[in-house]
Amino acid sequence: GAGVSQSPRYKVAKRGQDVALRCDPISGHVSLFWYQQALGQGPEFLTYFQNEAQLDKSGLPSDRFFAERPEGSVSTLKIQRTQQEDSAVYLCASSLVIQPGELFFGEGSRLTVL
Amino acid sequence: GESVGLHLPTLSVQEGDNSIINCAYSNSASDYFIWYKQESGKGPQFIIDIRSNMDKRQGQRVTVLLNKTVKHLSLQIAATQPGDSAVYFCAEGAREYGNKLVFGAGTILRVKS
Repeated sequence: GAGVSQSPRYKVAKRGQDVALRCDPISGHVSLFWYQQALGQGPEFLTYFQNEAQLDKSGLPSDRFFAERPEGSVSTLKIQRTQQEDSAVYLCASSLVIQPGELFFGEGSRLTVL
Repeated sequence: GESVGLHLPTLSVQEGDNSIINCAYSNSASDYFIWYKQESGKGPQFIIDIRSNMDKRQGQRVTVLLNKTVKHLSLQIAATQPGDSAVYFCAEGAREYGNKLVFGAGTILRVKS
């Protein structure tokens, strides 16, 4: 597709369930980012991939959060044993360059944990 | 749609007027700045960017001004239209941040017809 694609758009999980969120970046984009956006706030950085290498995971809030990009294209963000505080929109973004520059964002996956 | 903005500052302008949205950034080492627009239920959309070796950059109906002395960034929108209503975020990039962008809290722009 022409843009960054994320699925599912909406996910409702019961507390304690595991969830997996998928990101399909723009073809050829080297850099891939995951951000978390709580209601009424700006996006907060979670993790960054350059091709298949996860170079920065400093923003992951706990060891329940795990991200991968095994072939340097599609990425999955997994959250284990979800908690209510995990409720947020999870945004994926990709970039053609490896220095700070324009990020192209997907529409996000809205996670609600009951 | 989303009920975003419960805690965000709001700017209300009349259609056709000019809008100025301000942002204070924290890192004096930041060398790249970008403005994003986010409509309800959508991801952030690029508006304009500027590097620290510049103090002004113009796009179509938008101008970004950078004042490094006071660490201030502004976005000016000329002849504001109803379609400009959204939440606007500034973001900064710095070598110490690696390749990530650090986002500000956001400002809601409401355009009255």
